[in-house]
Amino acid sequence: GENVEQHPSTLSVQEGDSAVIKCTYSDSASNYFPWYKQELGKRPQLIIDIRSNVGEKKDQRIAVTLNKTAKHFSLHITETQPEDSAVYFCAASRYSSASKIIFGSGTRLSIRP
Amino acid sequence: DAMVIQNPRYQVTQFGKPVTLSCSQTLNHNVMYWYQQKSSQAPKLLFHYYDKDFNNEADTPDNFQSRRPNTSFCFLDIRSPGLGDAAMYLCATSRDRANRGPHTDTQYFGPGTRLTVL
Repeated sequence: GENVEQHPSTLSVQEGDSAVIKCTYSDSASNYFPWYKQELGKRPQLIIDIRSNVGEKKDQRIAVTLNKTAKHFSLHITETQPEDSAVYFCAASRYSSASKIIFGSGTRLSIRP
Repeated sequence: DAMVIQNPRYQVTQFGKPVTLSCSQTLNHNVMYWYQQKSSQAPKLLFHYYDKDFNNEADTPDNFQSRRPNTSFCFLDIRSPGLGDAAMYLCATSRDRANRGPHTDTQYFGPGTRLTVL
């Protein structure tokens, strides 16, 4: 069945440095790739998403890149801050009335002061 | 203002005693989802409603049922909770603006209901 692999499972970076989280998906028909941030004890919240007709999208310190040929997409956070500490989930889905969403297993990001 | 509201925030039930969790939304979104999330894991989709159409995931146990009486409200019924059903239950909504299907636009999550089974 469809699968999304996410790496690394934990990531610790120095405040101010960049963080990169990578995901690989198996369903070549996937069109939509959201990233959700979940702080401890809180709800997941969308931080950025990308669709298959775009290779890169940026929103301030956050960017996502998509390589459809290789079937992988990555989250880039620059100039990390303590409030970036959270669990990040990638996901993939396709445009279909029978669409499924497949989540990655999550990355726990810690920002060291 | 809260957009996706879940009640209660914490629910304690006894093994085998039915429980109902509720979700309401003020976003007028046509899709509503129920997820189960256990500690340190990704949310696991149980089912979703696309308008009035109910869509069950293949691996969702029969013990879990859902109702959506109107656009704004959706309920999760657990008929006979087991110890393994203790988890955070998240409701989410989205609007399928471009008729692409469910899961193809931003999902707005509620704060969750933490279920404890004694």
